[in-house]
Amino acid sequence: NAGVTQTPKFQVLKTGQSMTLQCAQDMNHNSMYWYRQDPGMGLRLIYYSASEGTTDKGEVPNGYNVSRLNKREFSLRLESAAPSQTSVYFCASSRTGGMNTEAFFGQGTRLTVV
Amino acid sequence: QKEVEQDPGPLSVPEGAIVSLNCTYSNSAFQYFMWYRQYSRKGPELLMYTYSSGNKEDGRFTAQVDKSSKYISLFIRDSQPSDSATYLCAMSAVNTDKLIFGTGTRLQVFP
Repeated sequence: NAGVTQTPKFQVLKTGQSMTLQCAQDMNHNSMYWYRQDPGMGLRLIYYSASEGTTDKGEVPNGYNVSRLNKREFSLRLESAAPSQTSVYFCASSRTGGMNTEAFFGQGTRLTVV
Repeated sequence: QKEVEQDPGPLSVPEGAIVSLNCTYSNSAFQYFMWYRQYSRKGPELLMYTYSSGNKEDGRFTAQVDKSSKYISLFIRDSQPSDSATYLCAMSAVNTDKLIFGTGTRLQVFP
């Protein structure tokens, strides 16, 4: 019962460094999402993928890129990390092409950019 | 103005109390309304799901949607210390891939 698995769980980066957050789901879901969660801001959508081969921008896409590698995997890349990207990042997946059915979340990646 | 407004709390209640959590929203296109529960250092989990207006009950939890007032509520009866968590409301319109979250209300239930 793995569900949605994110790696790594914690990461500290220096300003300007790059990294990729990995996400994989084993529920055969079509749609996958990346959110960031900041105090007082709630969950904000960064990018989403309605199906394999497609990606779309969410509310806060600047500074990020994504890749839907296959149906299972959806990665988030920070090309040049900035302190403003310090946050908790959540990957989620859902069965249909929309978020109108249950979304399952991973455990989160705590990223600190110094 | 945010599309979804939610009081961040914290809300502190004694065990056994009835808890009321609320969200207001501005987008009249929202049709799907959800409540997620998030324990500390964990990902959110879906707690309740409602389509359009009305009430939905599941055990100690009741979700209400009043579309005319653009107001949704989650009631927790006989609250338990294990209910201590952050509760996030979320909503979306039909045929959209975007789920809009409130900021979350932190609830503490003390014995």
